[in-house]
Amino acid sequence: EPEVTQTPSHQVTQMGQEVILRCVPISNHLYFYWYRQILGQKVEFLVSFYNNEISEKSEIFDDQFSVERPDGSNFTLKIRSTKLEDSAMYFCASTPDRNNQPQHFGDGTRLSIL
Amino acid sequence: KQEVTQIPAALSVPEGENLVLNCSFTDSAIYNLQWFRQDPGKGLTSLLLIQSSQREQTSGRLNASLDKSSGRSTLYIAASQPGDSATYLCAVLEDDMRFGAGTRLTVKP
Repeated sequence: EPEVTQTPSHQVTQMGQEVILRCVPISNHLYFYWYRQILGQKVEFLVSFYNNEISEKSEIFDDQFSVERPDGSNFTLKIRSTKLEDSAMYFCASTPDRNNQPQHFGDGTRLSIL
Repeated sequence: KQEVTQIPAALSVPEGENLVLNCSFTDSAIYNLQWFRQDPGKGLTSLLLIQSSQREQTSGRLNASLDKSSGRSTLYIAASQPGDSATYLCAVLEDDMRFGAGTRLTVKP
């Protein structure tokens, strides 16, 4: 069964550095998402992406965050200047149909900011 | 603002029991509700999706119901097995997807 894949599985970065998290959504899916889960807390929506542009974003997704689909397969989340509070699991998800089909999640990237 | 609540936060049952997990949400204007399973250190596995116009969905030993007007959903697990041990999350879709905090289920052999 097709899967959403995320790399790396664990990223350790110094505070203030830039980090790029990578995702390969399922190939025929059209809607892409990033979520984060701080340890012990709820999964939180960050951003949704459709037709090469952001369709929704949360208040968490401020100017230090950006997303890109640089080619036909990858979907990336960039954090420009990381802070300690950015430490979390980051999940990518995709779906072929926003309202009528389930979102499929990757295994996540654990981001640790030192 | 949509709030999603899951009760209980944790549940421990002996193998073979039938059990019910509860999810409630404050705003009924949702497109759908999705139940997920999350194993420790892993991503979310989609279990069932219920459209806002539907009342229930079934997959194997799992049955999920939705009462949109009262803002409630239940996930029924029949004949529980140790392999069902995980955290179960519900999430509702409006402009974005909002998650509950989950129910941590332990099924003892």
